[in-house]
Amino acid sequence: EAQVTQNPRYLITVTGKKLTVTCSQNMNHEYMSWYRQDPGLGLRQIYYSMNVEVTDKGDVPEGYKVSRKEKRNFPLILESPSPNQTSLYFCASSLKGASYEQYFGPGTRLTVT
Amino acid sequence: GNSVTQMEGPVTLSEEAFLTINCTYTATGYPSLFWYVQYPGEGLQLLLKATKADDKGSNKGFEATYRKETTSFHLEKGSVQVSDSAVYFCALSDLRGNNRLAFGKGNQVVVIP
Repeated sequence: EAQVTQNPRYLITVTGKKLTVTCSQNMNHEYMSWYRQDPGLGLRQIYYSMNVEVTDKGDVPEGYKVSRKEKRNFPLILESPSPNQTSLYFCASSLKGASYEQYFGPGTRLTVT
Repeated sequence: GNSVTQMEGPVTLSEEAFLTINCTYTATGYPSLFWYVQYPGEGLQLLLKATKADDKGSNKGFEATYRKETTSFHLEKGSVQVSDSAVYFCALSDLRGNNRLAFGKGNQVVVIP
């Protein structure tokens, strides 16, 4: 089954404790992206990757890092989480090209206290 | 830059009523337009799309027409069901080639039996 998986689905952590949210897709997509969803703000892009070893900032990259060492994986790293990073995070993947559908993971709800 | 505007506020309606959710956009050139749906506790999934002016996307009884002259992509369904209760997001693709989706803020739709 074609899918995007994320782990963990839920995470409660404390300020400053480094964490990684994993994302994996099995569709051989070149493009992967991370979004955060906040009430009243919709979805905003954090980082994206057009292919292995190619990453770039989205609209709200501050406080986040990513890496793309393999085509299927695109982890999101929070080196020193802060409460304003409490949010619902989604990973997405697609073929390259503006008209292609993006496939979303189930989401990771992160709470930073 | 590219942006999407959706009508404000949740939408509550009775089963079998007609649904319209307004979406207008600002973009250079000819973006691709999408409607994504988010069911409770799930990630986003593509509902329909249109990639050029005057195209009509349709799926599951929902329709939207790409209107370049009014820069709109309004979502409609003639007879909603309780199972259509979800959050609906209008989005457009980024012509800069990075596959970025610019989302509207979303509309919560609640269908009452």
